[in-house]
Amino acid sequence: GEDVEQSLFLSVREGDSSVINCTYTDSSSTYLYWYKQEPGAGLQLLTYIFSNMDMKQDQRLTVLLNKKDKHLSLRIADTQTGDSAIYFCAESLMDSSYKLIFGSGTRLLVRP
Amino acid sequence: DGGITQSPKYLFRKEGQNVTLSCEQNLNHDAMYWYRQDPGQGLRLIYYSQIVNDFQKGDIAEGYSVSREKKESFPLTVTSAQKNPTAFYLCASTPPTGRPTGYTFGSGTRLTVV
Repeated sequence: GEDVEQSLFLSVREGDSSVINCTYTDSSSTYLYWYKQEPGAGLQLLTYIFSNMDMKQDQRLTVLLNKKDKHLSLRIADTQTGDSAIYFCAESLMDSSYKLIFGSGTRLLVRP
Repeated sequence: DGGITQSPKYLFRKEGQNVTLSCEQNLNHDAMYWYRQDPGQGLRLIYYSQIVNDFQKGDIAEGYSVSREKKESFPLTVTSAQKNPTAFYLCASTPPTGRPTGYTFGSGTRLTVV
């Protein structure tokens, strides 16, 4: 079945880059997403990448996709304390349900 | 502004009670979803609906029920059959094409059994 895996925790110093990694199993996924969740809140879409792309950059965010290895990463440049949150990777299923399969989330802690 | 509204933000349930969580959207989205979030386990799909008067079970539907009488509304009932209901519940919706914009999420309801 479909599965999305992420490491649970990442700690970085303010100003450094953060790299959050994700692996997925459904090779037919068309879109892959990164969401951010702040404490007690819903999920906010950060960015997404189409499966025929290798990279997408959006201001401080860079998404890299290695479709052969089914590996997705999110790099946050110049990480700030406001970036501390849980980051979820998600893949869309190649069917009509529009369901997203989410990873378990990576908690990012930014130290001053 | 368009969005998804979940209410209440906090809900307390006694043992054996049914409770209903509200989810309303004014985005004109066809598909709506309910997820449950437990610490360290990510999001698990409870139910989803792609059209009015139709819905499907997700991965953990036991002990839950839903209805979709209106496009804007997708309430979730946590029944007494759900033995461990304490969790954070998230509602989401997506436009007809689904991709690429993904889901829009509500701000969640935290349910606690007392």
